[in-house]
Amino acid sequence: NAGVTQTPKFQVLKTGQSMTLQCAQDMNHEYMSWYRQDPGMGLRLIHYSVGAGITDQGEVPNGYNVSRSTTEDFPLRLLSAAPSQTSVYFCASSRSEFRGHSNQPQHFGDGTRLSIL
Amino acid sequence: GQQVMQIPQYQHVQEGEDFTTYCNSSTTLSNIQWYKQRPGGHPVFLIQLVKSGEVKKQKRLTFQFGEAKKNSSLHITATQTTDVGTYFCARWGFQKLVFGTGTRLLVSP
Repeated sequence: NAGVTQTPKFQVLKTGQSMTLQCAQDMNHEYMSWYRQDPGMGLRLIHYSVGAGITDQGEVPNGYNVSRSTTEDFPLRLLSAAPSQTSVYFCASSRSEFRGHSNQPQHFGDGTRLSIL
Repeated sequence: GQQVMQIPQYQHVQEGEDFTTYCNSSTTLSNIQWYKQRPGGHPVFLIQLVKSGEVKKQKRLTFQFGEAKKNSSLHITATQTTDVGTYFCARWGFQKLVFGTGTRLLVSP
């Protein structure tokens, strides 16, 4: 059972380039989310999805787009990378609270370490 | 925002000493979750507290939820080098899981 898989593990971009971070889960979880982690700032929620076709913004959504065409996949897109987006990005999944499984623990992927020059 | 403040930011202990991290909110929490992140790793769920005054134990770890449901603590008895990492509290509400800033624990042998 793979759990939550993120690709790539590392990436270096130049300012202005675009990129998609991939996230896939094989646990049939309805809820998926993206976080960024910066030193001293904990994990901050970028976007989340409660099911296929439904996405919403988190705490720091600017500069990022998401889509959820299937239950399994939740890609994160950087349309025009900026140095301020240098960070470690984590994808997480869980059962959705709206399916009668409230307050579920999040299962995290191993992260993508992104540097923007 | 629905900030969750965590203290201390960092603590360095000798192996065998106890450790406590605190999580505080200005508003009432419906629940609190705790996660551990090893250096270079990803957050791993430890436990969830839901009831006022709740206390749960996992071996040397004791988790408490305040009577007013505005604070929580994680206490580790007799730390070991395997306890090294960052401990996060997180609140789940309105479809979002919001994390505290974390407490980084370093344990010297």
